[in-house]
Amino acid sequence: QVQLVESGGNLVKPGGSLRLSCAASGFTFSDYYMSWIRQAPGKGLEWLSYISSTTNTIDYADSVKGRFTISRDNDKNSLYLQMNSLGAEDTAVYYCARGWEQLDYWGQGIPVTVSS
Amino acid sequence: DIQMTQSPSALSASVGDRVTITCRASQSINRWLAWYQQKPGKAPKFLIYKASSLESGVPSRFAGSGFGTDFTLTISSLQPDDFATYYCQQYNSYPLTFGGGTKVEI
Repeated sequence: QVQLVESGGNLVKPGGSLRLSCAASGFTFSDYYMSWIRQAPGKGLEWLSYISSTTNTIDYADSVKGRFTISRDNDKNSLYLQMNSLGAEDTAVYYCARGWEQLDYWGQGIPVTVSS
Repeated sequence: DIQMTQSPSALSASVGDRVTITCRASQSINRWLAWYQQKPGKAPKFLIYKASSLESGVPSRFAGSGFGTDFTLTISSLQPDDFATYYCQQYNSYPLTFGGGTKVEI
């Protein structure tokens, strides 16, 4: 069955960096676009970024453009999100999801807290 | 960006009730709309795509409808497992945007 497992979340100081990973299994990872979405505490869902199956197409939300970088390693069935210049507004649960339009499978989410 | 507005933001219902949630887009999105269910502390679960197509394994009591700017999610007979927050999401254009959510509670 399809599984997506995020890791790398942590408490980080403002201005700091963090790299999230998403390990995929149960499907042919290299065939699918992948996305990152986040949810701030008590808030709704915010799409952050997607990457095409071959990495030739990438897009970001304005809120993270220039600070976050999405990447993938199809040999390792893994998706990544490098997050730099983190601020309190980036505190959220971060989800990876399969797809770039309808998101049919989601990971369990990983919390990221930005605080001094 | 396309704004997605859900109503109501919360509703109280009982098991067996028919529940309708509305989602309105700030501009036409044709049928490029998905619905998700989220329970506390859990990831969203994909329910419906292309406004009215049920994802495999989703109970038939869930139904989606609409076109253009106005959409609905209907649960024909609410079950205990359905108490959750529901989100609509447009994928007509980037950035993907979600509605603010509708919490269905007892």
